[in-house]
Amino acid sequence: DTGVSQNPRHKITKRGQNVTFRCDPISEHNRLYWYRQTLGQGPEFLTYFQNEAQLEKSRLLSDRFSAERPKGSFSTLEIQRTEQGDSAMYLCASNPYGTGEGNEQYFGPGTRLTVT
Amino acid sequence: AQSVSQHNHHVILSEAASLELGCNYSYGGTVNLFWYVQYPGQHLQLLLKYFSGDPLVKGIKGFEAEFIKSKFSFNLRKPSVQWSDTAEYFCAVIQKTNAGKSTFGDGTTLTVKP
Repeated sequence: DTGVSQNPRHKITKRGQNVTFRCDPISEHNRLYWYRQTLGQGPEFLTYFQNEAQLEKSRLLSDRFSAERPKGSFSTLEIQRTEQGDSAMYLCASNPYGTGEGNEQYFGPGTRLTVT
Repeated sequence: AQSVSQHNHHVILSEAASLELGCNYSYGGTVNLFWYVQYPGQHLQLLLKYFSGDPLVKGIKGFEAEFIKSKFSFNLRKPSVQWSDTAEYFCAVIQKTNAGKSTFGDGTTLTVKP
């Protein structure tokens, strides 16, 4: 399978715990994006990377959230001291920006986080 | 701030009916426009996109969309829906000056009755 993969697919955690999600983009896609989606809403932009550089962070990304893409390949999104309001689907997407193939993004299946 | 509005939250149609889903965005500059679809149990995938040129774009599975710049609209159409078109549809906008950030609408759930 050469699509975007995300792990885990589901995560249930207790309030106050830390969680980490992983995203593996399509090989050689230089841009990687994180979104959050809650029920009844569209994906909300959180942050994106070009290679290993984090180029933009949404104001939705509080100081409890951190994302990394250390080698410009996979990325991790960590949430510290989780709150019930963090319960959502976390989506990852990637694209080969700048190669002339356009800006459409290729999405992974998401990680569903439930904070109890 | 940029925003995307999808007017229909839930649409129910019978097979063979025609479909039009509305999408309006608020941004005065140059944009790229997309429709994504999410079938039950599957992840988001691209249905069609507009970058430049002909404002009428055709996508997969018989879908098309028309970009009307003066109305800031990018409505999705299909002349005859099928049961397999049952899915959630999202309109998305990217500013060409900030091609990293997509803004999505809240989606329209389409249910097609056989």
